[in-house]
Amino acid sequence: QKEVEQNSGPLSVPEGAIASLNCTYSDRGSQSFFWYRQYSGKSPELIMSIYSNGDKEDGRFTAQLNKASQYVSLLIRDSQPSDSATYLCAVKEGKGFQKLVFGTGTRLLVSP
Amino acid sequence: NAGVMQNPRHLVRRRGQEARLRCSPMKGHSHVYWYRQLPEEGLKFMVYLQKENIIDESGMPKERFSAEFPKEGPSILRIQQVVRGDSAAYFCASSPNRDYEQYFGPGTRLTVT
Repeated sequence: QKEVEQNSGPLSVPEGAIASLNCTYSDRGSQSFFWYRQYSGKSPELIMSIYSNGDKEDGRFTAQLNKASQYVSLLIRDSQPSDSATYLCAVKEGKGFQKLVFGTGTRLLVSP
Repeated sequence: NAGVMQNPRHLVRRRGQEARLRCSPMKGHSHVYWYRQLPEEGLKFMVYLQKENIIDESGMPKERFSAEFPKEGPSILRIQQVVRGDSAAYFCASSPNRDYEQYFGPGTRLTVT
């Protein structure tokens, strides 16, 4: 069973700090990696996608991918209380597979 | 530019009834995916469809569940003879092609009493 692992949290950070969210995956053939944000009772919202090793920045968000270590992370700079949500890591397996395999999510709490 | 639309947003069914969940993908998207989120659990893939074709149904329970995406109209996830364990949030996602990101709809929250 191919798995995506995340620490369930909660991860608590003060407003303005950097929040670091981590994810590991088991399938070495995985090609595409995504971070979704899900507020309680709402649907997942795509924040970032990353396909190659290294960093990808978009505003306050930076995704980092290390395929050799099978590790993907999301950094949120200048965290705001509105960032408080559950962050889901999702992995798409190798070519030919289109389903997303999700981790159980990390709950982030940003305190004012 | 409307996003993915799902209806109904909330559905209550008694045990043994049928549930029909509908999903209209974003404009220009022809690939539809259904996921289920059980209480306190992660999102699990159920089925991937293109117009008139089921591409991957590896996550669908073998019995009582079916899905379709007709040439005209929304994609339908059908659950026959619902049981309490079917109570969950059912999300539909769409993408313009198989290699693109998936965007989720608001979900249908099914409660079986």
